[in-house]
Order: sequence, then structure tokens, then C-alpha cells
Amino acid sequence: EADIYQTPRYLVIGTGKKITLECSQTMGHDKMYWYQQDPGMELHLIHYSYGVNSTEKGDLSSESTVSRIRTEHFPLTLESARPSHTSQYLCASSEPGQASKKLFFGSGTQLSVL
Amino acid sequence: GESVGLHLPTLSVQEGDNSIINCAYSNSASDYFIWYKQESGKGPQFIIDIRSNMDKRQGQRVTVLLNKTVKHLSLQIAATQPGDSAVYFCAENKKAGTALIFGKGTTLSVSS
Repeated sequence: EADIYQTPRYLVIGTGKKITLECSQTMGHDKMYWYQQDPGMELHLIHYSYGVNSTEKGDLSSESTVSRIRTEHFPLTLESARPSHTSQYLCASSEPGQASKKLFFGSGTQLSVL
Repeated sequence: GESVGLHLPTLSVQEGDNSIINCAYSNSASDYFIWYKQESGKGPQFIIDIRSNMDKRQGQRVTVLLNKTVKHLSLQIAATQPGDSAVYFCAENKKAGTALIFGKGTTLSVSS
């Protein structure tokens, strides 16, 4: 069982609100990722970080932003939520080193924007 | 564009049967492949992985086969159980230092 935690588990919010999805891991992993997943569909990478003060955009364009001030914490922020942001957001981390590519996932945050 | 995909969106089997879930990939430079299982309302859970220098790898009740000639990856589950019902995703790593790219999932339904 991976030690990676996401909060909140579910979030229903109105259009225009600012929200932050939390992700923390206690494994000391330097690499962390955010994926977006619509029901029954594949995961799309939206942000990743290879260490403190390192953040990159993924393959899927996203209006969200991320920060990595501490190794264990990788929050995702939406400045102004819209209905099109309704989706599941999955956080993941992986061990240090090029050889280790296996991702450990959190349980996800299901976001609904009304 | 290049992507990882699965042949069938759904697969239904009887309890005790062997299941085979297939995945095709298009990037011959990919050197690492992985299978995840995702149950409803949960994050993906690691099943098994394989590097491109291998053709086969076995775990507990699962086997992954890699055919680089036809760019095909498969997951075999022996003696499928109702608890195996989930969505299964394959993913590839296209180059060192990059994140995994996921394909579309296959929903496995096991009836008893």
C-alpha cells in the first residue's frame, strides 16, 4: 500500500471559485505527478515535478497550476473553477532514479463544478 | 500521434477462466511497460511491469507478454476471480526521465 494521500476525496463547488487539491506522500519520492481522468477513460498527464522548485506541464493542456515547495507536498490549484474542470484528479509519485518508473497513486479527488 | 491503446474496451469472463487483456503501442523507442488495475472510486494500483529487454514476466496469477516485433503487450490473469473485476490500463514510458503515458482501459467483468 502506497503512502500517498489526496484531499478532499470529493469536492462540489460553484463556478468561479478558487480551489486547491492537496497531495502528500511520505515515501520521500522526488518525482510527483498530476493526472486527470474522465469516467472510464485513460489518464492524462497535466503536471509533474522532479523535485523541489521543479514543475512542468504535461501533455494535456490544463488551466491549473502546481507548486513544489516541499518534497512531500504537491498541491494543484484552479484559480477560477468552471464546469469543464469537472473530472477526477489523480496524484502519483515515483522513486528516485532513472530506472524507477513505477507510479504510486493516491485515491483521487472527484471534482464537480456546478 | 503516438499512443498506447487497448484492443477491446470490455471483456467478460466466467470465474475460473483465464483472461487475456491486450494492448498495442506505437512507439518502438519505449523501453518500459506497466499494467495497472483500477477499481471503482480508487486510484490505479500497480499489477506488473516489464522492460523492453524482456519478453515475459510472471507474477502471482498474472503474466505480462511483450512482443516488440508487432508492438503488442498483453496481460494474462489465471483463474480469474470476481475480485479481478476492474478497469485495466497499460502504460508506456517513451524515454528516460519522462512520465508514463496511459492507454485507454479495458473493463474486465467476472461473473460467478
